[in-house]
Amino acid sequence: SAVISQKPSRDICQRGTSLTIQCQVDSQVTMMFWYRQQPGQSLTLIATANQGSEATYESGFVIDKFPISRPNLTFSTLTVSNMSPEDSSIYLCSVHVLANTEAFFGQGTRLTVV
Amino acid sequence: GQQLNQSPQSMFIQEGEDVSMNCTSSSIFNTWLWYKQDPGEGPVLLIALYKAGELTSNGRLTAQFGITRKDSFLNISASIPSDVGIYFCAGHLGNFGNEKLTFGTGTRLTIIP
Repeated sequence: SAVISQKPSRDICQRGTSLTIQCQVDSQVTMMFWYRQQPGQSLTLIATANQGSEATYESGFVIDKFPISRPNLTFSTLTVSNMSPEDSSIYLCSVHVLANTEAFFGQGTRLTVV
Repeated sequence: GQQLNQSPQSMFIQEGEDVSMNCTSSSIFNTWLWYKQDPGEGPVLLIALYKAGELTSNGRLTAQFGITRKDSFLNISASIPSDVGIYFCAGHLGNFGNEKLTFGTGTRLTIIP
């Protein structure tokens, strides 16, 4: 398994501002994933963060809105830019262990935009 | 894109009852995963299935990977209060270059006192 720490665990932000979420893993992993979970909904993949290259974004998500950094094999950040109330969600970091199979999640960041 | 439909959407049961939920896909997956999410927490992996027809247990939990590779089910026997939460299935193609998961719509389990 992997231990994943996310910071902050929650935040309340003003619209128009940006928030950077950090994800730290206790072991080196090739790929890290960022998900959004809107209230009462399932998880939707935002992007895959690869070390040493640009993140790969899913349909409906763009780099200008959700810039991602992946400076090394144990750390990644997701920024939610120019926030609006519609961005209020839980944002989750995930890693795969045992190549392509089991995925483990951080505890999530609960974001409320007012 | 691919979609995983879970049923039922919600369940209200009494403590001690058995629970059964399933997940169906419009396309084939090579790995099925079942997660549980408690309020304010990230999903926690319960069971991983890697072969069509595979039946795997983890304590009171049993899950099966459907023969067609388009479905999976999760059973919980003799439910207890800590089983309350949302259960998600997730499918994975397991191919290099396509490591992402597709999540089901979730089943919310509530235990009636």
